[in-house]
Amino acid sequence: NAGVMQNPRHLVRRRGQEARLRCSPMKGHSHVYWYRQLPEEGLKFMVYLQKENIIDESGMPKERFSAEFPKEGPSILRIQQVVRGDSAAYFCASSPPYSSGGAGEQYFGPGTRLTVT
Amino acid sequence: AQSVTQPDIHITVSEGASLELRCNYSYGATPYLFWYVQSPGQGLQLLLKYFSGDTLVQGIKGFEAEFKRSQSSFNLRKPSVHWSDAAEYFCAVGLTGTASKLTFGTGTRLQVTL
Repeated sequence: NAGVMQNPRHLVRRRGQEARLRCSPMKGHSHVYWYRQLPEEGLKFMVYLQKENIIDESGMPKERFSAEFPKEGPSILRIQQVVRGDSAAYFCASSPPYSSGGAGEQYFGPGTRLTVT
Repeated sequence: AQSVTQPDIHITVSEGASLELRCNYSYGATPYLFWYVQSPGQGLQLLLKYFSGDTLVQGIKGFEAEFKRSQSSFNLRKPSVHWSDAAEYFCAVGLTGTASKLTFGTGTRLQVTL
């Protein structure tokens, strides 16, 4: 069973460009979470999605950031007009449906390291 | 809102020595508790989890953790550390009864000397 997949692993963007980060959850997992890790810091929650629904976006910046998890295909975290402060590692995690007996444990992908020049 | 404190930013132990990493949480009910490990440039790997029941939980790689409700703690332990255990360790808390976001501590960086 393949783990959580993220691509690209490394992404370089100039200020003002758009960054699109992709996440494919583990097979059978219907919950996707995005976290951001700044250098020398822990992970900060950004958004929690289920298929075609945003469940909790309390950690998302109000502007320039958006996320989706369509019926088909990977989850996408989109950052418009990137600035240097967006440079960070972005991690995606997935978890099984709670009703299936999954109890909140999340499995993480390898991350996308975004560098804004 | 829940919060997690890892008071030790950096710990150094000798290979073969015992290890204890501290984690304190703040949450109104019994939380879901997790320990993750992150090697440099890598993602997070789940070491162990506590949901309910036995307060001493066993994880992978010889790690264990003990939930102490009275102290709001979930400390990670290993009786004998190996050089390959050098990494960053994160404690996290989630809400009970539902899938939800995890709140992470700031991490403890473990260095192992030979």
